[in-house]
Amino acid sequence: EVQLVESGGGLVKPGGSLRLSCAASGFTFNSYTMNWVRQAPGKGLEWVSYISGAGNNIYYANSVKGRFTISRDNAENSLYLQMDSLRVEDTAVYYCARDQYGWSHVDYWGQGTLVTVSS
Amino acid sequence: DIQMTQSPSSLSASVGDRVTITCRASQDIDNSVAWYQQIPGQAPKLLIYAASTLASGSPSRFTGSGSGTNYTLTITSLQPEDFASYFCQQYFYWRTFGQGTKVEIK
Repeated sequence: EVQLVESGGGLVKPGGSLRLSCAASGFTFNSYTMNWVRQAPGKGLEWVSYISGAGNNIYYANSVKGRFTISRDNAENSLYLQMDSLRVEDTAVYYCARDQYGWSHVDYWGQGTLVTVSS
Repeated sequence: DIQMTQSPSSLSASVGDRVTITCRASQDIDNSVAWYQQIPGQAPKLLIYAASTLASGSPSRFTGSGSGTNYTLTITSLQPEDFASYFCQQYFYWRTFGQGTKVEIK
C-alpha cells in the first residue's frame, strides 16, 4: 500500500525557516517523480515544487522560487522541502504528492502538514 | 501560465441528481487534465486523468470528457459520499488547479 506521511509543520514567525519531510513507503521511491502542493485555509490547491526520481530535474512555482528548496534522499525513501524567508501568505497545509507517470497527474497524496506563518 | 477557470464554485444537488462541473483552460492543454475529489479535512483523491480515464478504484458514475480548452466532470447519479469539493488540474505546462467546486446537499 502506498503511504506518504508528512511531518515538520508548525508555527513560525515571518522571515523564519522550516523543513518539511515526507516519508514514503509501499512503492519503489526512486522510480517516481514527487511534488509538494499546498492549500491555504479555505482555499484551493497550489502546486509548489517538483523533483524527478533521480533528483536532477527540479522546478518551483514563481511564488516560492528562491525561498524554497526541494530535495530527496532515495536511500531513506524521503522527500524534503526547506522553506526559508517565510511569509504570512505561505500559511497552508502542505501535501507531499506522487506523480503516476513522470511529469503527469498526482495519483497519491499524503495527509498534509500545517504550516502557519504568523507573528 | 495556463489558467484553469472552474465553474460553478458551488452547487446544491440531491442524491440521484446528475451533476456537471466544467474547467476551461486558457490555452489548448491536449487532454492533460485530472480531476480530484476532496472531503473536508482529508487529502485530495484522484478520480480522472488524461481527461477521461477513470482512476483505479473510482466509481464508474464519475466520467470525464472534453478536449482542447474545455473539460467536464460528470457525476451521473450523485451518492451521499459524493458531497465534497472537486478540483481540476492541468499538467500540460507546469501545473495549475481550478478554484474548486463545492457540492452541497440540497
